[in-house]
Amino acid sequence: RKEVEQDPGPFNVPEGATVAFNCTYSNSASQSFFWYRQDCRKEPKLLMSVYSSGNEDGRFTAQLNRASQYISLLIRDSKLSDSATYLCVVTVPPSNTGKLIFGQGTTLQVKP
Amino acid sequence: NAGVTQTPKFRILKIGQSMTLQCTQDMNHNYMYWYRQDPGMGLKLIYYSVGAGITDKGEVPNGYNVSRSTTEDFPLRLELAAPSQTSVYFCASSYGGPPNEKLFFGSGTQLSVL
Repeated sequence: RKEVEQDPGPFNVPEGATVAFNCTYSNSASQSFFWYRQDCRKEPKLLMSVYSSGNEDGRFTAQLNRASQYISLLIRDSKLSDSATYLCVVTVPPSNTGKLIFGQGTTLQVKP
Repeated sequence: NAGVTQTPKFRILKIGQSMTLQCTQDMNHNYMYWYRQDPGMGLKLIYYSVGAGITDKGEVPNGYNVSRSTTEDFPLRLELAAPSQTSVYFCASSYGGPPNEKLFFGSGTQLSVL
């Protein structure tokens, strides 16, 4: 089983749609979780951290389910500019190494 | 602010050649990383370092070497380049471990081995 697994998509949605991505992780001892965004041929950039209680940043909502070992990202009112690949990132114990493992990414294409 | 700087941006190597990818950061970050990204795939960790003088293997270390003589620099060495090393290489840094693992990436190096 891969350490971090995502549905690669692509997800093709119209502007204004709500779309959700899931990501599963294999190590139950992982403590920190993130979503990164990567535009074509560019470096990844942090979109948001994922907190145990769930967190929201504008149109983006991230949730963590430790029991089932998955995190999710919900995007509401999709914009054309949301088109990108979304990478799920998980820390690997021991946590003091700062070692991060990336999922393969989920591609979102928002169409007019 | 320069952030994380990688050089070169593009490089073509012949099979068996060697080269060093340079990475430097000016944020005084303790942690540095090298990732590779193959087309349509996520990032794979090659090596990482938690401070000067300390390095450790990631998921895909074979065919690579690193050193960390200073906090700022974390070069990646390819010995005897092979076509399987054709990829985009990203260097990254972070201030530390939890909860400061936000990664800052360089703009990447596109490497082709022919």
